[in-house]
Amino acid sequence: GAVVSQHPSWVICKSGTSVKIECRSLDFQATTMFWYRQFPKQSLMLMATSNEGSKATYEQGVEKDKFLINHASLTLSTLTVTSAHPEDSSFYICSALTSTEPVTTEQYFGPGTRLTVT
Amino acid sequence: DQQVKQNSPSLSVQEGRISILNCDYTNSMFDYFLWYKKYPAEGPTFLISISSIKDKNEDGRFTVFLNKSAKHLSLHIVPSQPGDSAVYFCAAIDDKLIFGTGTRLQVFP
Repeated sequence: GAVVSQHPSWVICKSGTSVKIECRSLDFQATTMFWYRQFPKQSLMLMATSNEGSKATYEQGVEKDKFLINHASLTLSTLTVTSAHPEDSSFYICSALTSTEPVTTEQYFGPGTRLTVT
Repeated sequence: DQQVKQNSPSLSVQEGRISILNCDYTNSMFDYFLWYKKYPAEGPTFLISISSIKDKNEDGRFTVFLNKSAKHLSLHIVPSQPGDSAVYFCAAIDDKLIFGTGTRLQVFP
């Protein structure tokens, strides 16, 4: 099956610094990637939809200037948490679509990145 | 506003027995539902799905039932195995995936 990787898997940073998380589709091209966030014991919440070569579409309540998304190629999307604060500590998961259909079951998830801001 | 709800945060089942995980939704326009399994520190993996034109879909030990009038779906796992211990999320498709809050299943010997 399709494989999606994320790097790093775990990162600790100091408050006020920025952190970049990479999401790669290893064996397929992904025109669309999604970024999710999960707090402990809560649902995965969609943060933004990332389309290759265009600006990301952010969900309501997600600060686009704080969570910068770049989908520069068909296999790579990055999420940069700028000026991180402890409340940004969370588990960030990306997923990628293998087809051009709007949303299908062919959405493969990365292993996630745990961000801890001290 | 949680459109997809899993009211049981946890479930404990003996190995070999049936596990039933429940999910309720509020939006009658949802037309496709999925179940995902998630281990700690990993991304969710797709298990099984069902279209709103069906009321049952079966794949091996996993069966999903959909009751549209009640806006309710359930995942049955039988027989349950210790390796099934994980968090299970139901999700609905609107123009995006909308996840429930998850149910932690523990299967004990």
